[in-house]
Amino acid sequence: EAGVAQSPRYKIIEKRQSVAFWCNPISGHATLYWYQQILGQGPKLLIQFQNNGVVDDSQLPKDRFSAERLKGVDSTLKIQPAKLEDSAVYLCASSLAAGTYNEQFFGPGTRLTVL
Amino acid sequence: AQSVAQPEDQVNVAEGNPLTVKCTYSVSGNPYLFWYVQYPNRGLQFLLKYITGDNLVKGSYGFEAEFNKSQTSFHLKKPSALVSDSALYFCAVRKTTDSWGKLQFGAGTQVVVTP
Repeated sequence: EAGVAQSPRYKIIEKRQSVAFWCNPISGHATLYWYQQILGQGPKLLIQFQNNGVVDDSQLPKDRFSAERLKGVDSTLKIQPAKLEDSAVYLCASSLAAGTYNEQFFGPGTRLTVL
Repeated sequence: AQSVAQPEDQVNVAEGNPLTVKCTYSVSGNPYLFWYVQYPNRGLQFLLKYITGDNLVKGSYGFEAEFNKSQTSFHLKKPSALVSDSALYFCAVRKTTDSWGKLQFGAGTQVVVTP
């Protein structure tokens, strides 16, 4: 079974530039998550999709971050404009369904450096 | 609000010795509890989970964890550590009543196993 795919793996940009990350979840997984993991901290949920609808984006900085999951499969996370404090690893995860105790499966992450 | 505390930033253990990684949680109501492991430049991998029933949960790679409701703890254990167990370990909690299954992660504990 293929895992969660993410690209790119690494990205370096200057502040005020824009960047986009892509995620392809495990086939058949209805729920998709985007996390931000700052060095030395645990992952923090940014946004959660159930199929193509948003169910939790309470910690997403909506003035600069946006995400979509068209057709309920792939997802993109965008930052525009980027700030220095956005330097982090962005993790995508998926699970079979949200309202259960199913574990989440994580992709390898995208390491973003903002200069 | 739910929270997770991992009181040790790093745990050092010699190969062959028992390994314990501590986790305490705070959540209203009953919790679902998870342990994940993260190897360098990789996403998080699921180790084990507590849902209900037996307080001792067995998971992947010889790891186990004990749920203690009175102490609100869920410590991860392995009877005999391997050098390959060196990694970053995260404890996570979600409320059983949370219909969208939001996970709250701890800050992580770095495990170093020396030969």
